Amino acid sequence: EDKVVQSPLSLVVHEGDTVTLNCSYEVTNFRSLLWYKQEKKAPTFLFMLTSSGIEKKSGRLSSILDKKELFSILNITATQTGDSAVYLCAVESGSEKLVFGKGTKLTVNP
Amino acid sequence: EADIYQTPRYLVIGTGKKITLECSQTMGHDKMYWYQQDPGMELHLIHYSYGVNSTEKGDLSSESTVSRIRTEHFPLTLESARPSHTSQYLCASSESTVKAFFGQGTRLTVV
Repeated sequence: EDKVVQSPLSLVVHEGDTVTLNCSYEVTNFRSLLWYKQEKKAPTFLFMLTSSGIEKKSGRLSSILDKKELFSILNITATQTGDSAVYLCAVESGSEKLVFGKGTKLTVNP
Repeated sequence: EADIYQTPRYLVIGTGKKITLECSQTMGHDKMYWYQQDPGMELHLIHYSYGVNSTEKGDLSSESTVSRIRTEHFPLTLESARPSHTSQYLCASSESTVKAFFGQGTRLTVV
């Protein structure tokens, strides 16, 4: 059975801290890994990773995939209160469907 | 910017009622999805469609049904709501890849 495990499940930091969110997976016929940010309701797309070792970067957020070890990390540097959200990791399997993890709830305190 | 809309945003309804959750997108995406999400839990795929007149059940068994008569519209129906159906329902659409755009969700409470 396809599985995506995120850690930690929740994290509380202070503004300015750097955080690393983890996502490990076991899926058949891996195609891609996606990160989403979920504030209140609608998840919004952050990154899509398909190749190992290539870092995707957007402002203070970056992500990298390790297909050999079956995991990805999402880094957020110089965190701000607006980064508070649930960060979801999802993996596309051979069936072209996404399997989601439970998410990491990040709280950034001023 | 994604244009996908769900209505209603919140719904409280009595047991046994029939309900339809609406989802519309203006991007012309062929693929559309319905996910169910309980607090603190994963999104679970309950239905998906790869085009008009195409619907499939997802990985999580659901008593709901869907239809796809028009590309832009993917409503979800519960014939007889029960308290166990209380959850958040998220609609999404995507183009050729699985990079999905999500609606704001419908929070359903069945009393």
